[in-house]
Amino acid sequence: TQLLEQSPQFLSIQEGENLTVYCNSSSVFSSLQWYRQEPGEGPVLLVTVVTGGEVKKLKRLTFQFGDARKDSSLHITAAQPGDTGLYLCAGANNYGQNFVFGPGTRLSVLP
Amino acid sequence: EAGVAQSPRYKIIEKRQSVAFWCNPISGHATLYWYQQILGQGPKLLIQFQNNGVVDDSQLPKDRFSAERLKGVDSTLKIQPAKLEDSAVYLCASSFALGPRNEQFFGPGTRLTVL
Repeated sequence: TQLLEQSPQFLSIQEGENLTVYCNSSSVFSSLQWYRQEPGEGPVLLVTVVTGGEVKKLKRLTFQFGDARKDSSLHITAAQPGDTGLYLCAGANNYGQNFVFGPGTRLSVLP
Repeated sequence: EAGVAQSPRYKIIEKRQSVAFWCNPISGHATLYWYQQILGQGPKLLIQFQNNGVVDDSQLPKDRFSAERLKGVDSTLKIQPAKLEDSAVYLCASSFALGPRNEQFFGPGTRLTVL
């Protein structure tokens, strides 16, 4: 069974600070997705990375897929209170099956 | 475009009772997923459909959980009988097609409390 670990589990920072959260596995994934979930809602997709070493930027968010496709990171520059939420990574095999979610990093950005 | 609809939003039952959840995916989406999210954890895939066929149900506790998507559109997930540890949010998601790059669109979930 493929497993994803995320760190840190909780993160509380001040507005304007930078942060990085990590998603790690001992297994290789065909794709890694990052989602953000707010209380009472379902997760919303932020990005999909599929190529080892790939870097994607989405405004203040930078996503990286590890060269071996076993890990990923999410870096947020100048965090804002609106970034508060649960950040989840999810991996899948080549057929889009066996989706596995990590336990998430709960981010709180204080004004 | 309407999102993924789920009902009910909340359900409270006693252990050993039965419960059913309903999901209507985004129109045209062939792939449908049911997840269980226990408080403080990430979603756990229970079952994945491609049209009306099951693609993956390896983590579905088949002695008590069942799901169907008879016409390849909406879906129901049933628990019979419920246990205390089934208390969780049940999320339904859909995607246009099967594949690792496809975006999953999630519904708001059904929060189940088993007393």
